[in-house]
Amino acid sequence: NAGVTQTPKFQVLKTGQSMTLQCAQDMNHEYMSWYRQDPGMGLRLIHYSVGAGITDQGEVPNGYNVSRSTTEDFPLRLLSAAPSQTSVYFCASSYDGGANEQFFGPGTRLTVL
Amino acid sequence: EDQVTQSPEALRLQEGESSSLNCSYTVSGLRGLFWYRQDPGKGPEFLFTLYSAGEEKEKERLKATLTKKESFLHITAPKPEDSATYLCAVQANSGYALNFGKGTSLLVTP
Repeated sequence: NAGVTQTPKFQVLKTGQSMTLQCAQDMNHEYMSWYRQDPGMGLRLIHYSVGAGITDQGEVPNGYNVSRSTTEDFPLRLLSAAPSQTSVYFCASSYDGGANEQFFGPGTRLTVL
Repeated sequence: EDQVTQSPEALRLQEGESSSLNCSYTVSGLRGLFWYRQDPGKGPEFLFTLYSAGEEKEKERLKATLTKKESFLHITAPKPEDSATYLCAVQANSGYALNFGKGTSLLVTP
């Protein structure tokens, strides 16, 4: 099993550009989520999904879109990148979103100029 | 509002010098308290889940304990490879989100 994979590992964007961060898992997990991690702050939830076709907002959803068309994939879209979105993004998955282990991907480091 | 506070922010230990990391929390109905380890440039790696006050879990040199207000991660006779940032998170009964603290950066020197 590859676990949770994320691409790209690094990305530099200009303000106003759009892009999609990819996340995939091969553990047949129903629950997937996106977090951002900024210096001096804890990981913060952006969006999450409890199954294919079902998504919901987390703590910091503005400027981001998600969709879940398959169990395996959960892409995160930045519609019009802003410098405030410079961060490290982590995707995570778990069996059902309950109090069981959430597996994190290796992260995508995004810089918006 | 759920809140998680970790202390200290940073800790430097000599190899073999045991210590504890603290995670204080407030949550409306605890579903689980999680400990993760994060190495530089990597994603968080799961260590433990604790569900109720009085529960303890151990893994190698690490032992996690839980009360109604806080959790401790005890590190016994640490080695340099234990150097990492340790993250604490809580999940409430009412939702799916993990609410993370800012972490404790641990450095163990030979």
